[in-house]
Amino acid sequence: DAKTTQPTSMDCAEGRAANLPCNHSTISGNEYVYWYRQIHSQGPQYIIHGLKNNETNEMASLIITEDRKSSTLILPHATLRDTAVYYCIATSTDSWGKLQFGAGTQVVVTP
Amino acid sequence: EAGVTQSPTHLIKTRGQQATLRCSPISGHTSVYWYQQALGLGLQFLLWYDEGEERNRGNFPPRFSGRQFPNYSSELNVNALELEDSALYLCASTLEGGTGELFFGEGSRLTVL
Repeated sequence: DAKTTQPTSMDCAEGRAANLPCNHSTISGNEYVYWYRQIHSQGPQYIIHGLKNNETNEMASLIITEDRKSSTLILPHATLRDTAVYYCIATSTDSWGKLQFGAGTQVVVTP
Repeated sequence: EAGVTQSPTHLIKTRGQQATLRCSPISGHTSVYWYQQALGLGLQFLLWYDEGEERNRGNFPPRFSGRQFPNYSSELNVNALELEDSALYLCASTLEGGTGELFFGEGSRLTVL
């Protein structure tokens, strides 16, 4: 799986959009970008994933650059409950069973 | 619909003992994954079971083992416990064949004294 790089931490004001960057410059053509989050002391929660096109679901939007070397997870209206560690993972179908969770980004949403 | 359930929530053992952790996947899911999250460290992939077979294994010693039962529930066994085995053990499940969208349980906290 390609290595991903994320900022260690970021703050976001409640009600504002949170834009979480992820760099995956060595991603290969068959690797997907997955995002998970882990609220303190809970199991990780799947958020969204994509291959080439931008994706949106009820939780977030995923913007992948045309060269696929980076992506941005957007939480459109951050709430206090969005405070969590967010993980960006690049993985192919060969490695679906063994996701490589890095250190992630600690996001703190403040009132 | 019930999510992934794990038991026990907490477990305290001493060095050299054995620990058994249990996981029930979401109904209809046949793949079960085990991850270890030691304090201050990221999640480390341990084991993947699908249709009763071990499909993949992370970089852990053989004293970490498991199995998957016909009802797709799974058990993780850790033998000869060491202090550094203290961690949150997370189980996740997905639909048949595996997918990157894992549904995680709340974990079992193992403390080795």
